[in-house]
Amino acid sequence: GENVEQHPSTLSVQEGDSAVIKCTYSDSASNYFPWYKQELGKGPQLIIDIRSNVGEKKDQRIAVTLNKTAKHFSLHITETQPEDSAVYFCAASNNYQLIWGAGTKLIIKP
Amino acid sequence: GAVVSQHPSRVICKSGTSVKIECRSLDFQATTMFWYRQFPKKSLMLMATSNEGSKATYEQGVEKDKFLINHASLTLSTLTVTSAHPEDSSFYICSARDDNSGIHQETQYFGPGTRLLVL
Repeated sequence: GENVEQHPSTLSVQEGDSAVIKCTYSDSASNYFPWYKQELGKGPQLIIDIRSNVGEKKDQRIAVTLNKTAKHFSLHITETQPEDSAVYFCAASNNYQLIWGAGTKLIIKP
Repeated sequence: GAVVSQHPSRVICKSGTSVKIECRSLDFQATTMFWYRQFPKKSLMLMATSNEGSKATYEQGVEKDKFLINHASLTLSTLTVTSAHPEDSSFYICSARDDNSGIHQETQYFGPGTRLLVL
């Protein structure tokens, strides 16, 4: 079955700098890769997603890249702000069921 | 759009009682909803897939008689934790897929979660 690994588990960056979170997946049939942001005590919120027919997608300060050959995808956040502090989860899917990464706690230092 | 609500947001109950959690898609129809459980500082663990008008599909290790799921309409799924015990204390989160989202149908929209504490 599919397995998703996410790194790092914790990431601390200075406000204004960029943050990059990486995920790898094992099932080459996976074709949908969402990223979710979860704040403390709340449900996950979809922030961006990408499908296997696209290599990169951008939405303002957030971008996701996908390398199908290497089976990895990354989340890039530029010009980080205090409100970006949260736990970020990647996931992969090929049959409508999401397989989740372990999460990355992003800390934005003022 | 694509808003999912959960009720209650938090509940405290005595051991041995049953607790019902509701998950509603507010502005879209959802034939399929998912129920997750999340332990502190951990990832989401899928418990079951809820399908409108049919029996839920439970993940391995999840007791279907313990966690009853009913998906009686296209906008409502309920999870009932029966005879709750302290080890059932957790954060329960539901998600829903929009039936009318076409090629984006695999996208899951999450509710705000329900914090259950069993004393």
